[in-house]
Amino acid sequence: DAKTTQPNSMESNEEEPVHLPCNHSTISGTDYIHWYRQLPSQGPEYVIHGLTSNVNNRMASLAIAEDRKSSTLILHRATLRDAAVYYCILVSGSARQLTFGSGTQLTVLP
Amino acid sequence: DAGITQSPRHKVTETGTPVTLRCHQTENHRYMYWYRQDPGHGLRLIHYSYGVKDTDKGEVSDGYSVSRSKTEDFLLTLESATSSQTSVYFCAINQGAGNQETQYFGPGTRLLVL
Repeated sequence: DAKTTQPNSMESNEEEPVHLPCNHSTISGTDYIHWYRQLPSQGPEYVIHGLTSNVNNRMASLAIAEDRKSSTLILHRATLRDAAVYYCILVSGSARQLTFGSGTQLTVLP
Repeated sequence: DAGITQSPRHKVTETGTPVTLRCHQTENHRYMYWYRQDPGHGLRLIHYSYGVKDTDKGEVSDGYSVSRSKTEDFLLTLESATSSQTSVYFCAINQGAGNQETQYFGPGTRLLVL
């Protein structure tokens, strides 16, 4: 399976934008880029996903590099509630099996 | 909200005893999953099911068995619990269709094996 690389941790100030990077240099043409996050003491929750084009939803934006070897999850205005571990996962076809790495621990400072 | 509940939410047991964790869903989702998560790590897939009585192994299936006798329930059994199975266990279902499928996770079960 193609793997992803994320920084172990990042910090952000409250109400500022956050850009969470993910490298996936061995991505295949059919792999979708999914992002999940896990709040403290909760199960993971889906955030966003995309294939080639940038994507927006109510939670975040996903910017995908033209060569698809990297992507960035963008939280436009971080809140304290966004403090979580963010996982970037490559998914081939339907999301039948997810392979989680260690993710990025995001700390939001008041 | 995909309506997933897990029971029990917390359990303490002793080495060598059998343990069964239950995942219950209310929306007839076909795919169900069991993951475990150890401190400081991401989730790892134990077993999954793609229908009643249809199950398959995941990455860390040794020491675990599963059963799915009806659509809404997916049971995870530790036949003889060991301390290495102390973990947080998450159940999940697939929602959506095709390339829009995503996974929805339950609240987790914290298991401590003494």
